[in-house]
Amino acid sequence: GQQLNQSPQSMFIQEGEDVSMNCTSSSIFNTWLWYKQDPGEGPVLLIALYKAGELTSNGRLTAQFGITRKDSFLNISASIPSDVGIYFCAGPRDNYGQNFVFGPGTRLSVLP
Amino acid sequence: GAGVSQSPSNKVTEKGKDVELRCDPISGHTALYWYRQSLGQGLEFLIYFQGNSAPDKSGLPSDRFSAERTGGSVSTLTIQRTQQEDSAVYLCASSFTGGSNQPQHFGDGTRLSIL
Repeated sequence: GQQLNQSPQSMFIQEGEDVSMNCTSSSIFNTWLWYKQDPGEGPVLLIALYKAGELTSNGRLTAQFGITRKDSFLNISASIPSDVGIYFCAGPRDNYGQNFVFGPGTRLSVLP
Repeated sequence: GAGVSQSPSNKVTEKGKDVELRCDPISGHTALYWYRQSLGQGLEFLIYFQGNSAPDKSGLPSDRFSAERTGGSVSTLTIQRTQQEDSAVYLCASSFTGGSNQPQHFGDGTRLSIL
C-alpha cells in the first residue's frame, strides 16, 4: 500500500539555522499536507499543497509539492526554540480524502 | 468549543476491560476521522465518518474495535477486551466536508494505557 518516508528521522540544530526535511512516496499523491505536533497535543496543520510544483510559504515555513508528485519538502528558516516538535507529512490514499496516510515524522530539536 | 475535543485525556485500564473514547468535532464539520499513534510513531488511520455513516472502516485493526457517530456530531470509539498492544494515543480529527483538499483539525487525543 501507499507509504510515506520522511528524512531525516531526527535532527539537532542551532537556533537561527535553517532546516530542511523531506517526504517521499512510491505512489503519486494529489495533495501534500505538513503538520507539526507538540508533546501531548494533536498535530496542527502548517501548510497544504494541492498542485504539482506548487511552492507555498507560511511565515518562516516554505513547502513545495514535488513535480513528480511523489515528494515534498519543508523548509524552516531562522529556527527558534518553539520550532521543536515532530513534523509529519501526510496525503490522501484515495481521491476522496476519506483515508489519509501519515509519514513517521521528523523530530526537530533546537539547541539554544 | 472552538476546536476538536476528546475525552478522557488519559485512560488507564486493565487488560480485558472495554473502553470508550469520545470525540466532539468542530461544530458544522461533517467529516470525522479516528487515528492511532503508538509511542514515537506516525499516525495510523482507523476509520472515517461522513455524517453518521462510515464509508471507510478499513483501518480498524480487529473486530474488537468499533466506532459510531450520532447526530452527525459526537463519535465514540470502543475497544472491547483490551490488550496491551492497544496502548497508544487515539486522535480524532474533523474537517468541514471531507475530501482531499479539506484540512483536518485534530484534538489533543486520549492516551490509553492497558495494564
